Amino acid sequence: QKEVEQDPGPLSVPEGAIVSLNCTYSNSAFQYFMWYRQYSRKGPELLMYTYSSGNKEDGRFTAQVDKSSKYISLFIRDSQPSDSATYLCATIAGGTSYGKLTFGQGTILTVHP
Amino acid sequence: GAVVSQHPSRVICKSGTSVKIECRSLDFQATTMFWYRQFPKKSLMLMATSNEGSKATYEQGVEKDKFLINHASLTLSTLTVTSAHPEDSSFYICSAMSGRAGNEQFFGPGTRLTVL
Repeated sequence: QKEVEQDPGPLSVPEGAIVSLNCTYSNSAFQYFMWYRQYSRKGPELLMYTYSSGNKEDGRFTAQVDKSSKYISLFIRDSQPSDSATYLCATIAGGTSYGKLTFGQGTILTVHP
Repeated sequence: GAVVSQHPSRVICKSGTSVKIECRSLDFQATTMFWYRQFPKKSLMLMATSNEGSKATYEQGVEKDKFLINHASLTLSTLTVTSAHPEDSSFYICSAMSGRAGNEQFFGPGTRLTVL
């Protein structure tokens, strides 16, 4: 079992839809949670960074963390064609694993006009 | 925001040659940088952790003599793929920790290596 599981999709939605992207993790040592967006042939771009359970909102994006169920989500409201990309969830454990990201497989999202 | 650059963005080389890839943090100092490898439609695979002024820490299965990493300053880390072979063809991405907000990492744009 991978430490971080993410449905690779692909996911195709119409413009304006609400998109829900999800990951589960197995290691209780994971303390920090990120969502990255990666366009084709580009490096990942940090979208959201959270530490505690709960919601964090930034514009059209909302990150949700539930540590009790080891579940993390990213919601995109009013999705746009420019949101079409691969979305990667990532986590970091504390202690000796300082800084080492563990990525999910990535979900390919297409928002069509 | 924190910006990380990579050079070159694309490189094509002959089998047996060595290729150096640079990773720079442009507007912040990064004591720790990471090197990843990504295959098409796959997630990022961590290769090594690069610490300024000390030896890099390699992940299991990554040949340290094959992938030489040097972190000579707080803004520059280099990855040298030695005696490259076609199976080394991949997308190489670096990241840097800003240290300003916990464990946030910022990624470079990546380098596509093609070995003929």
